[in-house]
Amino acid sequence: AQTVTQSQPEMSVQEAETVTLSCTYDTSESDYYLFWYKQPPSRQMILVIRQEAYKQQNATENRFSVNFQKAAKSFSLKISDSQLGDAAMYFCAAQGGSEKLVFGKGTKLTVNP
Amino acid sequence: DTGVSQDPRHKITKRGQNVTFRCDPISEHNRLYWYRQTLGQGPEFLTYFQNEAQLEKSRLLSDRFSAERPKGSFSTLEIQRTEQGDSAMYLCASSSSVDEQFFGPGTRLTVL
Repeated sequence: AQTVTQSQPEMSVQEAETVTLSCTYDTSESDYYLFWYKQPPSRQMILVIRQEAYKQQNATENRFSVNFQKAAKSFSLKISDSQLGDAAMYFCAAQGGSEKLVFGKGTKLTVNP
Repeated sequence: DTGVSQDPRHKITKRGQNVTFRCDPISEHNRLYWYRQTLGQGPEFLTYFQNEAQLEKSRLLSDRFSAERPKGSFSTLEIQRTEQGDSAMYLCASSSSVDEQFFGPGTRLTVL
């Protein structure tokens, strides 16, 4: 069974600053994927970034990047140059051995102008 | 927009009633997933279809829950004899491979 833990229920950041959201996971699978999803208030969940576990290079998507530490089973999300539109719930998720996603409890990100 | 759609968006029902939700995936996606999200929690997996075959079911899916995807296109999720504990957001997602799942807006169920 896989588990995903997000230890920060809430985070806040000033507009244009950088913030890092933490995620740890546990899995017995050797081949797996990790994801960060964003869920804005009253809007649907969208994928922010994904990482294949076999790739050593950290994934980046514009202002979003991850710090994937496989041995430590850590997968943090860094948001650079934060914008007001980044305010949302952020969910870390793992997928391996099965097609289902296993999600953490989420981190609520507030962006202050 | 040809994203995942769900109907209804909101449903209020009385305890003991049956409810049915519909999900229309992105047209070329052969995989369809159902998740349940309660307040303050991340989504929890319920079940998964590849085409019309239901390939995986969570232990969360009690006998009161049934899902179908009759022609490998849209899917329905039925809850019989609803209980207050069934109140949640029911999310549908679809994908074309073991990769990004595209989520719909969800159906919010309130059981009185």
